[in-house]
Amino acid sequence: AQSVTQLGSHVSVSEGALVLLRCNYSSSVPPYLFWYVQYPNQGLQLLLKYTSAATLVKGINGFEAEFKKSETSFHLTKPSAHMSDAAEYFCAALRSNTGKLIFGQGTTLQVKP
Amino acid sequence: DAGVIQSPRHEVTEMGQEVTLRCKPISGHNSLFWYRQTMMRGLELLIYFNNNVPIDDSGMPEDRFSAKMPNASFSTLKIQPSEPRDSAVYFCATAAWGQEHNEQFFGPGTRLTVL
Repeated sequence: AQSVTQLGSHVSVSEGALVLLRCNYSSSVPPYLFWYVQYPNQGLQLLLKYTSAATLVKGINGFEAEFKKSETSFHLTKPSAHMSDAAEYFCAALRSNTGKLIFGQGTTLQVKP
Repeated sequence: DAGVIQSPRHEVTEMGQEVTLRCKPISGHNSLFWYRQTMMRGLELLIYFNNNVPIDDSGMPEDRFSAKMPNASFSTLKIQPSEPRDSAVYFCATAAWGQEHNEQFFGPGTRLTVL
């Protein structure tokens, strides 16, 4: 069965520091992968998605993620954190043929001044 | 496009009352998903529809929960009777099945409080 694991429920970085949020998926077939962001009291918003066109995917707000099949990973990075990046981040995999997204547990990003 | 529209945005009710949450999908989207989010359990998929037909309702917690999609423009999630443990944020998300790799677009959510 397909599953998504996000390592670390809380990550804290200083403003200007590198952001690294980890995501691993479990599947024999590389799925479509997504990163969503949820700001306080809002719905989820798509940051970026991997659809097999390119292993390095660039998203909104300076975020990017690299698909690594050998590691079954899809980690999210941003070179320099801003205060406005503080939010909860969800990694998700699309279960093929159903349209059903499998979400990770979420990682709360705190950015310290 | 106005995006996914959910109503009400906030609902406070008393235990035992019926609660109806509403969702209007993005025009042209034919997949609709209902999620529940709580601190304890995170984001849970309750049920989803393709072309107005319920495909998987295995996430519906119990018979008190029911969902309908009478047409392509409207869906409801009903809880009857409501209980305090149903307090959560309920999200509706929609997608264009077979297009854009099924990217789901989320509504702003309904924050439900059952006293």
